[in-house]
Amino acid sequence: GESVGLHLPTLSVQEGDNSIINCAYSNSASDYFIWYKQESGKGPQFIIDIRSNMDKRQGQRVTVLLNKTVKHLSLQIAATQPGDSAVYFCAENMGDAGGTSYGKLTFGQGTILTVHP
Amino acid sequence: DGGITQSPKYLFRKEGQNVTLSCEQNLNHDAMYWYRQDPGQGLRLIYYSQIVNDFQKGDIAEGYSVSREKKESFPLTVTSAQKNPTAFYLCATNKRKGTEQYFGPGTRLTVT
Repeated sequence: GESVGLHLPTLSVQEGDNSIINCAYSNSASDYFIWYKQESGKGPQFIIDIRSNMDKRQGQRVTVLLNKTVKHLSLQIAATQPGDSAVYFCAENMGDAGGTSYGKLTFGQGTILTVHP
Repeated sequence: DGGITQSPKYLFRKEGQNVTLSCEQNLNHDAMYWYRQDPGQGLRLIYYSQIVNDFQKGDIAEGYSVSREKKESFPLTVTSAQKNPTAFYLCATNKRKGTEQYFGPGTRLTVT
């Protein structure tokens, strides 16, 4: 089946640097994408989302870029802080094919981000 | 205080016993989901429910069962038929299709 995957399983940065986490998806019918942050032993926390009719969306210190041509999603974190250290997951929501995909998300494996002071 | 409650945080069971994990929400969301997460892995969908008294199997439903008798509650039973039940279980909700899912704090189940 189609799946979401990540290019890099780990990423180490210095405090203050910008971080870029990448995600590849293979389902061209996906119409909604989300980035989550998960700290150890906790549930995932929503960071930012983007719909397939957009190619960029900005939040507070975060930007998500969507390139539908190459089926690629990225999360940019500006001025990364030690508190940003966590596992980051991308997830995709397929289009409403047959009306059976209500809210179903397919998650990637995750990228471990470590921020050094 | 709105949100999703999962209890207990840690659960220990002997092999061969069924166990039920609780998920309660007061967000008034229609849809609820159960995911399983293994160490170093992403989340895999077990079951989901879009409306009361209705639910669908996810990608790894074998060995699990659910019920949705109330909008606020979506309990998951891990049966003895589940071959490898030790995992971190996460409950999520969302208001409607195409919106973010909110996650509970999770229950870590250990079966020995």
